[in-house]
Amino acid sequence: DTAVSQTPKYLVTQMGNDKSIKCEQNLGHDTMYWYKQDSKKFLKIMFSYNNKELIINETVPNRFSPKSPDKAHLNLHINSLELGDSAVYFCASSPRGTKLYGYTFGSGTRLTVV
Amino acid sequence: SQQGEEDPQALSIQEGENATMNCSYKTSINNLQWYRQNSGRGLVHLILIRSNEREKHSGRLRVTLDTSKKSSSLLITASRAADTASYFCATDVGGGSEKLVFGKGTKLTVNP
Repeated sequence: DTAVSQTPKYLVTQMGNDKSIKCEQNLGHDTMYWYKQDSKKFLKIMFSYNNKELIINETVPNRFSPKSPDKAHLNLHINSLELGDSAVYFCASSPRGTKLYGYTFGSGTRLTVV
Repeated sequence: SQQGEEDPQALSIQEGENATMNCSYKTSINNLQWYRQNSGRGLVHLILIRSNEREKHSGRLRVTLDTSKKSSSLLITASRAADTASYFCATDVGGGSEKLVFGKGTKLTVNP
């Protein structure tokens, strides 16, 4: 059973389009995250939700909007896609806080904007 | 700004040798974690060391933490070709923040 699953795995789209990436975790974790990994492998947090409540919102263009319908799901919607949005997007989850536990990551969604 | 910096950026060794990767960070932390990322895959949590711990072991992994120097090291003993991956350190900076800040990673290649 996949603990953190993301769909789709690959996404190729044209500039200006709107797209969504879905994430689901079956671990019963309270907190979920979106990270962006650029072409140099640098991972940067974008958003974090704890039990459907937004707790971290880094400096991300407001074209990116996360939505958490319940604590097992955290989706990412991106409007008006730009070339610079091309990256791998990772969803992750953890029990409340990171003090004792590591994150469980999904396998990533490779977004290519052409 | 980035918290963790791994060193070296890339490391190539022969099977059976030990691999040591270092991580330096800037601010005080609650804990420091190491993750592995195989090519084209997600990150896998390896080990977590708390700020009041100095050394931790897990199988062939040994992690040390020196909070006075704000640095950590990951040692993989008796490396195998399957250990080929990128390794990232991540810091939990605490202070109510519930995020991990990742370094740029060390790309380890273990040659058969």
